Amino acid sequence: KQEVTQIPAALSVPEGENLVLNCSFTDSAIYNLQWFRQDPGKGLTSLLLIQSSQREQTSGRLNASLDKSSGRSTLYIAASQPGDSATYLCAVRRPNYGGSQGNLIFGKGTKLSVKP
Amino acid sequence: DGGITQSPKYLFRKEGQNVTLSCEQNLNHDAMYWYRQDPGQGLRLIYYSQIVNDFQKGDIAEGYSVSREKKESFPLTVTSAQKNPTAFYLCASSMNSKNTEAFFGQGTRLTVV
Repeated sequence: KQEVTQIPAALSVPEGENLVLNCSFTDSAIYNLQWFRQDPGKGLTSLLLIQSSQREQTSGRLNASLDKSSGRSTLYIAASQPGDSATYLCAVRRPNYGGSQGNLIFGKGTKLSVKP
Repeated sequence: DGGITQSPKYLFRKEGQNVTLSCEQNLNHDAMYWYRQDPGQGLRLIYYSQIVNDFQKGDIAEGYSVSREKKESFPLTVTSAQKNPTAFYLCASSMNSKNTEAFFGQGTRLTVV
């Protein structure tokens, strides 16, 4: 059974700091891994998608890496800003098996607070 | 604008009532999903559909039902059999169920009164 873990559960940093969020998964047989952002009471916003054959993806101040063999991904946020404060979720898309085809399995998220 | 629209944003249900949550997408995506989010538990899959007129149970389907009569629509009914329906419900879609990016709606918060 695929399990996704995110550490830490919460993180508070001063503005301007570079930071890393961690995501680990137990089964390396994945299609891809996706990072999301969720603001309080809102839906999920997709940040980055990494296919299983890729090692990293970048978008602006965000960089996500994937090490499928070790079951780990990191989300690097450069020069953090108060507007980055949100919960960050990672999810892996698992291949077809047992009738559950290609569904996303989520971690519980890391709640980030960036202080001015 | 292209995207996923969920309605209503807030919904209140009395004991014993069935309620239906709407999810519409104009992204021409084949796959659609319903997730439930509870504090401290993360997102859990309720139902998913890979193509029109087909859907499958997820991990927590008991007390819920869905239909997929049109490609752009995937409504979720919370029945009276669902004993603890108070939660935040999220609808998602993707081009397919393999290697494509998933997009989410803004959610519906359901409260039992």
